[in-house]
Amino acid sequence: QVQLQESGPGLVKPSETLSLTCTVSGGSISSYYWSWIRQPPGKGLEWIGYIYYSGSTNYNPSLKSRVTISVDTSKNQFSLKLSSVTAADTAVYYCARERRLKTIFGVVNWFDPWGQGTLVTVSS
Amino acid sequence: QSVLTQPPSASGTPGQRVTISCSGSSSNIGSNTVNWYQQLPGTAPKLLIYSNNQRPSGVPDRFSGSKSGTSASLAISGLQSEDEADYYCAAWDDSLNGPDWVFGGGTKLTVL
Repeated sequence: QVQLQESGPGLVKPSETLSLTCTVSGGSISSYYWSWIRQPPGKGLEWIGYIYYSGSTNYNPSLKSRVTISVDTSKNQFSLKLSSVTAADTAVYYCARERRLKTIFGVVNWFDPWGQGTLVTVSS
Repeated sequence: QSVLTQPPSASGTPGQRVTISCSGSSSNIGSNTVNWYQQLPGTAPKLLIYSNNQRPSGVPDRFSGSKSGTSASLAISGLQSEDEADYYCAAWDDSLNGPDWVFGGGTKLTVL
């Protein structure tokens, strides 16, 4: 059973770069899309972006200028970098696997599983 | 403000049937499938319904999903205390700004 685990600093200073890594265990990172999703305290979910195991990426337009997602297939890991952070970037950050299936009706896709999440606080 | 619209709260008594709505547009729900996630207090979201109405293995058949046009619904029958959680809908959005995932703002379900 595939499991995901986020890791990285829990505290980042304003204007600096937030860096997180998601380690995939129990399965290969190959042949899937992998996303980062965040949730500010007490608020809803926001998709940040995804990376395909081959390295192609797609980012949320509202964050695109500050986001970089990369993958290391040899370590079964993918990573998130968010630059120039402010207090508004304080959130629980989740990594998740995106399943995609081509059907006769088109592409069907969903997130499963999710990591447990890691709280990142932006503060001086 | 979320792209998909959900009621902020819903409630029911044990055994009741409750429904949670999710409203979108032609670029998301209208042209792509809808997924539902359950987030128990203090935990990560968990897949509850995918592809509008499919239940993953292990999800009780008390949970069901449907979609019509640009709206979707999650129904929970035989409500139980352990169903108290936040519920989120999500869909892929083929917007002109660039395709991306969009979520509803979440519905907090209270079991009275």
